[in-house]
Amino acid sequence: KNQVEQSPQSLIILEGKNCTLQCNYTVSPFSNLRWYKQDTGRGPVSLTIMTFSENTKSNGRYTATLDADTKQSSLHITASQLSDSASYICVVSLQPSGGSYIPTFGRGTSLIVHP
Amino acid sequence: SAVISQKPSRDICQRGTSLTIQCQVDSQVTMMFWYRQQPGQSLTLIATANQGSEATYESGFVIDKFPISRPNLTFSTLTVSNMSPEDSSIYLCSVEDDPGQGGEQYFGPGTRLTVT
Repeated sequence: KNQVEQSPQSLIILEGKNCTLQCNYTVSPFSNLRWYKQDTGRGPVSLTIMTFSENTKSNGRYTATLDADTKQSSLHITASQLSDSASYICVVSLQPSGGSYIPTFGRGTSLIVHP
Repeated sequence: SAVISQKPSRDICQRGTSLTIQCQVDSQVTMMFWYRQQPGQSLTLIATANQGSEATYESGFVIDKFPISRPNLTFSTLTVSNMSPEDSSIYLCSVEDDPGQGGEQYFGPGTRLTVT
C-alpha cells in the first residue's frame, strides 16, 4: 500500500529558530513530491514541487530536500516567524503505468512558533 | 494559477439534514476535485467532477451520499446528504494546472462542517 508518513506529528519552536520536518514514503512508481503549508481555516498552499531528479528546492526560508533512494524528504524552515505556525503536508504523487498521477497525502506536521 | 472560493466557510448542521457546498474557480478548468479532511487525518479524495458528465467517486464514497453537480467549467457543488456526526470534517475543492499530469494543485479555503 502506498503511504506517506510525516514526523513529528507536532512541533513547538521559538521564533527565530530553525526546524526540520520529515516525510517518508513508500509510493512507487514515484513521480513528484510536494510540500504544502496549510494555515488554520485555509486550504493548503504549495511551497515546493520536486521531481525524481531533483534533490533540493528552495522557496524563501523554506528548503525541501529529496532522497529518492531512501524515499525520504525533509522541509527545513530557517529563522522561523510567527506566521510559520501552520500544518505542513507532504504529498507524493504516484504515476501508474499509462495512468494519471495520483497524489497521496501525509497527515501533516503541526508547527507552532512561539514568540 | 487559480483562485478558488467556497461557500459556506463553515456550518453547524443537525443530523439527518443535508448541506450543499459551492466551489467557484476564477478560470475555466476541465476537472474539479472534492476532498475531505477529517481531524488529524490526511486529505482524502471524495470524487472528481467533470463538466458534462457524472462525477467519478473514489472507493468508500457514493453518489447518494455525496451528490455532485458541475454545471459549467468554473463551478461545482458537493452535497453532504443525510448527515451524521461522522461527516464532521473540512471539505475542500481543488483544481490542477494539468489534471492527472502532476502539475500544480490549488485548493479552496475549505468548508468546516460540524454535525450535531
